[in-house]
Amino acid sequence: GESVGLHLPTLSVQEGDNSIINCAYSNSASDYFIWYKQESGKGPQFIIDIRSNMDKRQGQRVTVLLNKTVKHLSLQIAATQPGDSAVYFCAEEIQGAQKLVFGQGTRLTINP
Amino acid sequence: NAGVMQNPRHLVRRRGQEARLRCSPMKGHSHVYWYRQLPEEGLKFMVYLQKENIIDESGMPKERFSAEFPKEGPSILRIQQVVRGDSAAYFCASSTGVSNQPQHFGDGTRLSIL
Repeated sequence: GESVGLHLPTLSVQEGDNSIINCAYSNSASDYFIWYKQESGKGPQFIIDIRSNMDKRQGQRVTVLLNKTVKHLSLQIAATQPGDSAVYFCAEEIQGAQKLVFGQGTRLTINP
Repeated sequence: NAGVMQNPRHLVRRRGQEARLRCSPMKGHSHVYWYRQLPEEGLKFMVYLQKENIIDESGMPKERFSAEFPKEGPSILRIQQVVRGDSAAYFCASSTGVSNQPQHFGDGTRLSIL
């Protein structure tokens, strides 16, 4: 999940639809994963996390799915709202290392 | 405001000057992390500190960059003799240090080098 310096992938959805943002992580030794939302000019804001001993976790309007077999993480946002417009990053924490490795990010835009 | 506080929000320096970025962690947090973000990219880890100790500086450039987290006061990221390539957003995060707990971020310092 390292950024490679390319333009951000973009996902456009209609207001009210569900959004699914995907992320491939890089290290099989990672045991903790976080989704962050970053709005323009601001820092990453914590959305939801999941430990490697789980494959699904739900929050308010958001669900994270973890597939360790293929090293894939997804964020599902239900009933997408204009305020959900932002760049979404997945981050992985390698066991014992504490530092986070961020994915490339996906820009979510909402069509009215 | 009990969140992570960074200042200044914007910093402009000329090539060769020094830049000092400050970070006060969230209340109750004693672990601080610095990350750098270039436009349209994800954040890249630089350094992880506890009070008076550098735990992991594997992401720090070998020259010109240093970080500290003194017993009293904020954490400081210091960049000496800045160059154009240092222009970026620098984010600080803090945590309790307990494994599998999220890091919480400040709103960053945007550094511009003229």
